[in-house]
Amino acid sequence: DVKVTQSSRYLVKRTGEKVFLECVQDMDHENMFWYRQDPGLGLRLIYFSYDVKMKEKGDIPEGYSVSREKKERFSLILESASTNQTSMYLCASTGMSYEQYFGPGTRLTVT
Amino acid sequence: GQSLEQPSEVTAVEGAIVQINCTYQTSGFYGLSWYQQHDGGAPTFLSYNALDGLEETGRFSSFLSRSDSYGYLLLQELQMKDSASYFCAVRGSNSGGYQKVTFGTGTKLQVIP
Repeated sequence: DVKVTQSSRYLVKRTGEKVFLECVQDMDHENMFWYRQDPGLGLRLIYFSYDVKMKEKGDIPEGYSVSREKKERFSLILESASTNQTSMYLCASTGMSYEQYFGPGTRLTVT
Repeated sequence: GQSLEQPSEVTAVEGAIVQINCTYQTSGFYGLSWYQQHDGGAPTFLSYNALDGLEETGRFSSFLSRSDSYGYLLLQELQMKDSASYFCAVRGSNSGGYQKVTFGTGTKLQVIP
């Protein structure tokens, strides 16, 4: 079974803090994605990556950056967390098929 | 850019059939997917249509018309456990030519006895 894991299920951070969200997949997938999910807005793509050290902006990249130093790991970084970044963050990966496998999500609260 | 529209809520009776529609706008269309998400859970893949027509997987079917930029998910013999949110997602391309997946805002399906 494909497994996508995320470093935390719940996270509380203060405004201005630097926040790292980690995602690891164990199926040697080339493609990895970061989404945020907010009520009524669905899943919005923040960044995605098709290879190690490669990144592409999604639809809402402002305030975020990413890092992919190894194929299995894709990190989302909030350089200076703000309250409007309080959200559910979902990581996903795909291989040769079109099916995206999602991690369990990290519910981030910025106070 | 890419955008999708789907109804926000649908209510249906157990044992009945329900159809969830999705219209989309995208550049460089590759395919349309459907995902199911239960409250508190992660989205799980249901189906993918790259070509026009109907794809059937058990009680669930998905349809695509590329000329109309339209698709739907059909759920038959509804069960209480089908109560969940359903998302359509379009695979298109960004300005750099890379494939990206954009999700709709989701349809919350409530199945009632």
